[in-house]
Formats: sequence, structure tokens, C-alpha cells
Amino acid sequence: NAGVMQNPRHLVRRRGQEARLRCSPMKGHSHVYWYRQLPEEGLKFMVYLQKENIIDESGMPKERFSAEFPKEGPSILRIQQVVRGDSAAYFCASSPPNRGRSSYEQYFGPGTRLTVT
Amino acid sequence: DQQVKQNSPSLSVQEGRISILNCDYTNSMFDYFLWYKKYPAEGPTFLISISSIKDKNEDGRFTVFLNKSAKHLSLHIVPSQPGDSAVYFCAASPGGTSYGKLTFGQGTILTVHP
Repeated sequence: NAGVMQNPRHLVRRRGQEARLRCSPMKGHSHVYWYRQLPEEGLKFMVYLQKENIIDESGMPKERFSAEFPKEGPSILRIQQVVRGDSAAYFCASSPPNRGRSSYEQYFGPGTRLTVT
Repeated sequence: DQQVKQNSPSLSVQEGRISILNCDYTNSMFDYFLWYKKYPAEGPTFLISISSIKDKNEDGRFTVFLNKSAKHLSLHIVPSQPGDSAVYFCAASPGGTSYGKLTFGQGTILTVHP
């Protein structure tokens, strides 16, 4: 059973360009989460999605950031007009459908390291 | 507002001894707690969790203790091994419809010396 897949692992963008980060959840998992980790900090929640639905986006910056989890295909985190402050590691996690406490346990991908030059 | 705090940035332990990592939280609405281990350039790996209705959960060498009145949890690793050297994060979930929104501490770097 493959784990959570993220690509690309490393992404370099110039200021003003767009960044697209992809995440494929574990097989059987229908919930996807995105987190951002700035240097020397813990992970910060960004958004929680189920197929075709955004459940909680309270951690998403109000502008330039968007996320989707379509019926088919991976979840996408999109950052428009990137700035240097967007440079961070972006982690995706997934969990199984809500069937009790086990759904609290999120399984993380290896992350995408975004560098904005 | 740091709702989950790991006040020790680092911990150094001898192989075979006990490692104790601590975590404090301020939000009384948290009802589920998790510990993750992270190696450089990798994603966090789930270790162990505990529900707020329990005060202890054990899995092999790992035990998590929860003191709700003190809003404190700890992870015990016995015996510690060099392969345990990593960054350890505690995380908390508010439950309910927002159960997926984990709040993480800043992490503690554990070094286990042979």
C-alpha cells in the first residue's frame, strides 16, 4: 500500500510565478490536509478537504492561495504570484473516512520544498 | 497564540536510557493528541496517540501520558535507541467537525548517543 505521494519534491519559482503542488492520498483515504512548515517552526494547518469539498480552510492565507481535491486525480495546492515569504516546506497528509478515532491519525507525505527566488 | 508548546528545543539521552518529551497545551477543547517523529527532508511519521478520555496509552517502547488538569502530555521512549534520533512533534485535535485541524508544537530535537 503506497503512502502519501507528493510532487514535485523540490520546486523553484521566481517571484510572481505560480506554484502548483500535488498530493495523492493513501489508498482508501478520502480526507486530505495541507500544512506549511517555515524554517525552525512547527507545521501550521492550512486546509482540510474531502473529495470535491473544502471542509476547513481557516489556515489558508486570504489571497493567492487555493486548494482543491477533485473527484478524480490528486489534490492541488496552488499559490499564485509567489513571494519570497512563501518559501517553505508544504506537507500533505491523508486520513481514512470518519469511522472513529482512527480517522484522527493523519499520514504525511514527504513534502514539497518551495523556494522562491 | 501558541496553543501547543514544546518548551524544550532539544534533548540528549544515552542509548538504553529513557527519553521523556514534554508538551503543554492551552486550549481545553482539544480532545485528541498525537505524537509524530520527523527526520530531515521527510514528512512526519505518526507514532502514537491518546484520547482525552484516557491518561495513558502504550505501544511497544512508546508510552504517552496525558494530564488533563495540567494540560500536559509526555512521550516516554524506553529504551532509547540511536535510530530514535529525530525531531518529535506533539499535535492536538479539537474534535467535532474540526477534528482534522491539527495544531502542532514547535518540535523537540532528540539525540540518542550510542
